[in-house]
Amino acid sequence: SQTIHQWPATLVQPVGSPLSLECTVEGTSNPNLYWYRQAAGRGLQLLFYSVGIGQISSEVPQNLSASRPQDRQFILSSKKLLLSDSGFYLCAWSQGRGEKLFFGSGTQLSVL
Amino acid sequence: QQQVKQSPQSLIVQKGGISIINCAYENTAFDYFPWYQQFPGKGPALLIAIRPDVSEKKEGRFTISFNKSAKQFSLHIMDSQPGDSATYFCAASYHSGGYQKVTFGTGTKLQVIP
Repeated sequence: SQTIHQWPATLVQPVGSPLSLECTVEGTSNPNLYWYRQAAGRGLQLLFYSVGIGQISSEVPQNLSASRPQDRQFILSSKKLLLSDSGFYLCAWSQGRGEKLFFGSGTQLSVL
Repeated sequence: QQQVKQSPQSLIVQKGGISIINCAYENTAFDYFPWYQQFPGKGPALLIAIRPDVSEKKEGRFTISFNKSAKQFSLHIMDSQPGDSATYFCAASYHSGGYQKVTFGTGTKLQVIP
């Protein structure tokens, strides 16, 4: 069966510090991978998606970047965090037509 | 046109009652309408989904009603239980550029009281 791992679960970082969140998927090959951010009362906002190794598309301009160094690994990064980067970050994957999204357990990021 | 409007923002229902959450959309390109359930501190999980060629889909106590002409769909939770207390997101999606482009509603926090 397929599983998705996302870590860390909680992260507190000072403004201006770098960020690296990692997500890996097991039990499937060539998945579509996604990074979402969830803000209270605003639903889920798609940040990045990837349909293959090295292929990254961004939905919104921001202080963050994403990379996919391996088929089942997706990394969310920032060189310098801003206060506005605080939020709940979710990694997700899909297969085939990609209608069904499978989410990780999320990372609660607090930038202070 | 990409928005999915969800209401209510929060809902309190007695155990055994019916919980109803409504969503509306504008983009007629949407061809898949899932509902996700999210417990605190966890990622959302797919609960039930429907395609626009069907007016209703039922899975256990969960039913989606779909009105294509009105561009509205709703989730009904029958015999609501305290374990159903969670945040529910509706979504609408269509296939574009090699992936499924998903738009989420803003969520409904459901509390089922004993």
